[in-house]
Amino acid sequence: TQLLEQSPQFLSIQEGENLTVYCNSSSVFSSLQWYRQEPGEGPVLLVTVVTGGEVKKLKRLTFQFGDARKDSSLHITAAQPGDTGLYLCAAITGTASKLTFGTGTRLQVTL
Amino acid sequence: KAGVTQTPRYLIKTRGQQVTLSCSPISGHRSVSWYQQTPGQGLQFLFEYFSETQRNKGNFPGRFSGRQFSNSRSEMNVSTLELGDSALYLCASSLDAPRGEQYFGPGTRLTVT
Repeated sequence: TQLLEQSPQFLSIQEGENLTVYCNSSSVFSSLQWYRQEPGEGPVLLVTVVTGGEVKKLKRLTFQFGDARKDSSLHITAAQPGDTGLYLCAAITGTASKLTFGTGTRLQVTL
Repeated sequence: KAGVTQTPRYLIKTRGQQVTLSCSPISGHRSVSWYQQTPGQGLQFLFEYFSETQRNKGNFPGRFSGRQFSNSRSEMNVSTLELGDSALYLCASSLDAPRGEQYFGPGTRLTVT
């Protein structure tokens, strides 16, 4: 069982549509990060959310951390082809203090 | 400033061989973490080095090892390669992982035949 489950696994939409990606867990986290990875590159950090209920906006991307700090969502408004990529949530876990990544959501935005 | 660099970018090895991958972190970053990314298992943490000491380790067999040098450059080694070791190996540097922002390199694509 994965610690961080993301849904959906795959998403193919047309330019201009809105979408939401979810990251869920049964564990409580002190913070949660979202990354985007494009083909042939490493993940790039988009945002870190720390406070339960926190909402952060990055242009057309809106990130929310659940009140109980067990889940998070990423909403993209008016998707563009440049949004195409693998979206990963990640959290610091356990006493080992390591970064654990979610299962990932692969997004494709077509013209 | 220059980003994280990884060499080589692509590598093909045969079963039973060993391989060494290299990572040069961003200047001033003392923490280097290694991850394995596969379609089936996703992105999994291998280990993290800070100031030449392994500080954290993931759940990988002892065939996977690493080290960090005094200039913060890091290498990881995989011995007795298996087909299942085929993956993208990513290195990330940070001022102080995991709480600090991690900057990833482009990865080394390892194929084991």
